[in-house]
Order: sequence, then structure tokens, then C-alpha cells
Amino acid sequence: IVMTQSPATLSVFLGDRATLSCRASQNINSNLAWYQQRPGQPPRLLIYDASTRATGVPARVSGSGSGTEFTLTISSLQSEDSAVYYCQQYNVFPPGYYFGQGTKLEIK
Amino acid sequence: QVQLEQSGAEVKIPGSSVKVSCKAVGGTFNNYAIRWVRQAPGQGLEWMGGVIPEYGTTNYAPDFHGKVTITADTATAYLELRRVRPEDTAMYYCARAPVIDMYNSGPFDVWGQGTMVTVSS
Repeated sequence: IVMTQSPATLSVFLGDRATLSCRASQNINSNLAWYQQRPGQPPRLLIYDASTRATGVPARVSGSGSGTEFTLTISSLQSEDSAVYYCQQYNVFPPGYYFGQGTKLEIK
Repeated sequence: QVQLEQSGAEVKIPGSSVKVSCKAVGGTFNNYAIRWVRQAPGQGLEWMGGVIPEYGTTNYAPDFHGKVTITADTATAYLELRRVRPEDTAMYYCARAPVIDMYNSGPFDVWGQGTMVTVSS
């Protein structure tokens, strides 16, 4: 199953909303996670099961979608949201945990 | 909260092998799989494979079959990479994922700090 993210780079103003997309080549139900990776750091789990926020993730971060189309929305953008965001499939058959190629979010 | 502590940076010559460890600090791997992810400089995340210690099951991404061996006991996991080449220069991460069944796991909820492996003659 191939994961495709768009856009590759997104530049948004401070305080605005960012919408990131992820498409799976086959139906993965809600078995989708989103990760944030800041420079020099390991990835951090933000969203799992397509729409459930991980521990400590603020409410302005939300996920939606099922099947093959998924969206990550970050509202009230702050400078700390500048990072690369990856989507990932899991609990599929045959087992695979492939990532999308990432979306780089820049805050203007 | 369990943390994953990885071994230190490695420099290897082409054709050699490297073994990276990932230790659970403050707990064990019980009910969790350990997955390995590679990130070449300036590139994205690449899932390599993983192990579910309580079942002893492993799986590997096709690109890494025959190249990588992943093992684990109750609190330490290992990634062995054989016949390394300069293209294997990357940061290698271990990550914990809750077990779903003997072959599958959930999202990667805890990550190690990463181990940089540099392959150069």
C-alpha cells in the first residue's frame, strides 16, 4: 500500500489554519497515524486511528478521514508547528507500516 | 512512561556489519512490538521491519529482506545491518507500537533518540 501526501511544502501565516492531505492506494479503514518531526528530533505521534489525538497533543490539531483519504488540520498556527508531517498506515494485511513522503509546513 | 534508549553513533567501512541496540528504560516490551525506521540525510522516514517479542514474530519491508535481522528479548531490541554500503548512511530509529495480534501492531507511540550510522571507506 502506497501512501501519498500533498502538498510537499505548505507555507501558511502565523495564526492561520493548515490542511495537509494523505491518500492511501488501498482501503486502510481508519488505520492511519500522523507524526510531527522537527529538525534534529525523532518523530512524535500526533494522531492515531485517523482522528484520535495522542497524549499531550493540543485540541487545535485534528485528523479526519477513512478508507483512502485523510486530512490533518492544524488551527491557530504557532511557530512551533514548523516541522515535517508524515502519515503512516498500520494494522494492514500483509503487515506494513509505510510512511508518506512527508509535508514540510512553514510558518510565515 | 517507558523511554527507548539507543546505542551510540557508528562509523563503518563498506561491506561490514553494524548492530544497533534499543533498550527499554523504565519498563519492558511486554504487549509492544519494536519497529525500526531509517532516515537518510535530508530524506523521509522508511520503515525497515520489526519484531513482536512476546510472540517472536518478525516482519521486514521487502527492500530489507536478507539485509537486516531484527531480534529482541524482554527489554532490548537489536537491528543488524549486513554488507553496508555508503547508501546505508542514515539515522536509525527504534519505536514502540502496541500489539494487535501476533503479526500486527498499532501506531508508533514512543521513539528512541536515533542512532547515526555512517558508512565510509
